[in-house]
Amino acid sequence: NAGVMQNPRHLVRRRGQEARLRCSPMKGHSHVYWYRQLPEEGLKFMVYLQKENIIDESGMPKERFSAEFPKEGPSILRIQQVVRGDSAAYFCASSQKGHQETQYFGPGTRLLVL
Amino acid sequence: GESVGLHLPTLSVQEGDNSIINCAYSNSASDYFIWYKQESGKGPQFIIDIRSNMDKRQGQRVTVLLNKTVKHLSLQIAATQPGDSAVYFCAERSYTGRRALTFGSGTRLQVQP
Repeated sequence: NAGVMQNPRHLVRRRGQEARLRCSPMKGHSHVYWYRQLPEEGLKFMVYLQKENIIDESGMPKERFSAEFPKEGPSILRIQQVVRGDSAAYFCASSQKGHQETQYFGPGTRLLVL
Repeated sequence: GESVGLHLPTLSVQEGDNSIINCAYSNSASDYFIWYKQESGKGPQFIIDIRSNMDKRQGQRVTVLLNKTVKHLSLQIAATQPGDSAVYFCAERSYTGRRALTFGSGTRLQVQP
């Protein structure tokens, strides 16, 4: 499967724990985007990364959220000290060359905070 | 501020009919538009895109129309099938400012057999 991979598909955390969401882009893609989706709503942009660089994090909450895309390995979205309001579906998309290219989405990680 | 919105939250059609899903946008700097299909429990699936220098683009059973004068986008699905049942999102991107996609709130398409 050469599509965008995300894991885990489902993640349950208790309030105060940390959540780590992983995204492997499509083969040959070096640009990654993270979006959050609440039930019955559209996707909201969080962060745009290239390898080892954060290009645009204007949609990311200032506290508790961080993202990285290392030279080797998947992109990681990290949420520290989760709260119930963090419960959502988190989608990763990748593109080949950057923001002018079509973004292809992964299956998402559904985070539930108890 | 910029926004992308949809006129109809739910559209119900009979199998075999044509479907039209509409979308309005307000950012005049938007130059690229995409339609995504999202089935329950899955990620958005790319359907078709169009750039602002075009008015119409056709794919397999789908057509996207862009009216820049009134900032309106539509997705037409010919001979709608039960497998087309999903939520459809329009998304836009501006050539200035944020490089990410701005999504509308979605329209649920229900195809009656």
